[in-house]
Amino acid sequence: DAGITQSPRHKVTETGTPVTLRCHQTENHRYMYWYRQDPGHGLRLIHYSYGVKDTDKGEVSDGYSVSRSKTEDFLLTLESATSSQTSVYFCAISDRRGDRGYGYTFGSGTRLTVV
Amino acid sequence: AQSVTQLGSHVSVSEGALVLLRCNYSSSVPPYLFWYVQYPNQGLQLLLKYTSAATLVKGINGFEAEFKKSETSFHLTKPSAHMSDAAEYFCAVTSYSGAGSYQLTFGKGTKLSVIP
Repeated sequence: DAGITQSPRHKVTETGTPVTLRCHQTENHRYMYWYRQDPGHGLRLIHYSYGVKDTDKGEVSDGYSVSRSKTEDFLLTLESATSSQTSVYFCAISDRRGDRGYGYTFGSGTRLTVV
Repeated sequence: AQSVTQLGSHVSVSEGALVLLRCNYSSSVPPYLFWYVQYPNQGLQLLLKYTSAATLVKGINGFEAEFKKSETSFHLTKPSAHMSDAAEYFCAVTSYSGAGSYQLTFGKGTKLSVIP
């Protein structure tokens, strides 16, 4: 989707190194989410943000941290990458304004391989 | 907590045959339900959503889904499968995550294969 971009698209990193993934949006949406997708598990929420500097944990947050210093950027950091964090990471945005039925717009994903 | 269960991780249909992908939900409040489609190496795209209006919801690419409260189901159907429908399909339900924010909880996905 043109309003949301993820970078990098692919990354190979070594175990124990820090990694930062970036999600950038041009829609001025308040809510941003990081998911990971693994075979047999579907998408699982890592962290989400409900405003600048406002973030909270999701279902699988261990080993991950996030930051949001501007409305348009939501960063996901793997403090010390492990092989279990090899996955495809998706960012999503939403402009809920209390409407539960809006749904999300997803980025194209980042494929991360930890060796 | 709200959740969805998709029955069948893989479904194969012949081209021109009916597509039926099953989703059952669990929710303590009236649910908002979604179907997303993911084509290879792409992100997820919204197919359709149920937001408590009509129980039969029509989406893109000829797909539709019917909300059945008595069966806690939201199955996705298409009368005639096309080769381009081959993808992975995800059912999702909205749940409240605090601070005025809602999050989507996804099923594990169903991969649809279409046989020529």
